[in-house]
Formats: sequence, structure tokens, C-alpha cells
Amino acid sequence: EDQVTQSPEALRLQEGESSSLNCSYTVSGLRGLFWYRQDPGKGPEFLFTLYSAGEEKEKERLKATLTKKESFLHITAPKPEDSATYLCAVQASGGSYIPTFGRGTSLIVHP
Amino acid sequence: DVKVTQSSRYLVKRTGEKVFLECVQDMDHENMFWYRQDPGLGLRLIYFSYDVKMKEKGDIPEGYSVSREKKERFSLILESASTNQTSMYLCASSYRLDQPQHFGDGTRLSIL
Repeated sequence: EDQVTQSPEALRLQEGESSSLNCSYTVSGLRGLFWYRQDPGKGPEFLFTLYSAGEEKEKERLKATLTKKESFLHITAPKPEDSATYLCAVQASGGSYIPTFGRGTSLIVHP
Repeated sequence: DVKVTQSSRYLVKRTGEKVFLECVQDMDHENMFWYRQDPGLGLRLIYFSYDVKMKEKGDIPEGYSVSREKKERFSLILESASTNQTSMYLCASSYRLDQPQHFGDGTRLSIL
């Protein structure tokens, strides 16, 4: 069974304090890994797709990286507007391609 | 931009009622999904549909059914609502199953 574990569950940062969120996964073969951002009262919003170990994607203060067992979402010099829940989802190469979601990391950035 | 619209942001119903949640997407996507999201449990797939009139059970289909009569519309039906179905319900769509999903803003459903 595919498993996705995100850590930490919650993270509080001061504005400008860089950190990383972790998504570790167990799948028979990885087809793709997705990162989403979810604001309170909203649906998840797609950020990145990663397909193979060593791949990196960047958007503003966010950078996502991928290894064979985990992905990191690095947040550089965060701002209060980066506060949100970040979700990771993993897609296995066999079967239906329906992604398995992690439970998310709730990030709060204090001014 | 893809827009996924859920008909209600908030809904309050009573135990035993039949409840309909509606979702419409405007990008001609083949695939549509219904999830529920609960604190500490994350997103759990209820049903998905890969074509008109086609549906597949997800991880937690019990107590739910779905309908997809038109490509752009996917309905979730709670046959006889129960209090343990109080939750946030999210609809999503994608062009292909291996592509990222686009989500609506959710319906917060309370069953009293």
C-alpha cells in the first residue's frame, strides 16, 4: 500500500527564518510527486510536480526537491503570506495513477 | 485558468436527509474527483469518474454515491446523511489521471 508521511505536522517560523518541510513516501514505483498549497477555507492549489530523483523546481521563495524516498519543500526567507498548509501527493507508476495525499504541514510565519 | 465550482460553501442538513453536493468544471477535463478532508486525516478519496456515466470507488465510498450525466458536472450524493459525514468536501478535476488536480474551494457540510 502506498504511504505518504509529512513532517512536521505544524511549523512556526519568524519572518525571514528559512526552513524545510518533508514528505517521505513508500510506493512500488514513483510516477510523480505533487506539492499543493492550501489556504484556510480554500481548496488546495497546485505548486509543483517532480518526476525523478535529483529534480528541483522553484517558485518565488519555494524550492521543491526529490530523492528516491522523500521530497523537501524548502522555504527561503518566508513572509507571513506564505502561511498555509502544504500538501504532498504521490502517484505510483502502476495502477490507476490516483494520487495518495499526505496529511499536510501547517506553516505559520510570524511577522 | 481552470475553474472548479462547488455549488455551496456551507450547508447544514439533518440526519437521514438525502444530500446533493454539486461540482462543475469549465475546462473539459476527463476526470473528476470527490474527497473529504478531516483534521488529522487529510484528504480521502470518496469516488472518482474518468468519463461521463463512469465512476470508480475510492477509499471511503460507503454511504455515498455519485452521478456524472454531463462531462462538466459531478455530483456527490449522501443517501441518508449521518453525523459522521460532517466534513469538508472537496471536488477536483484533471485532464489526465497522471496530471495535477485542480480543486474547488470546498463545501463545509454539517449534519445535525
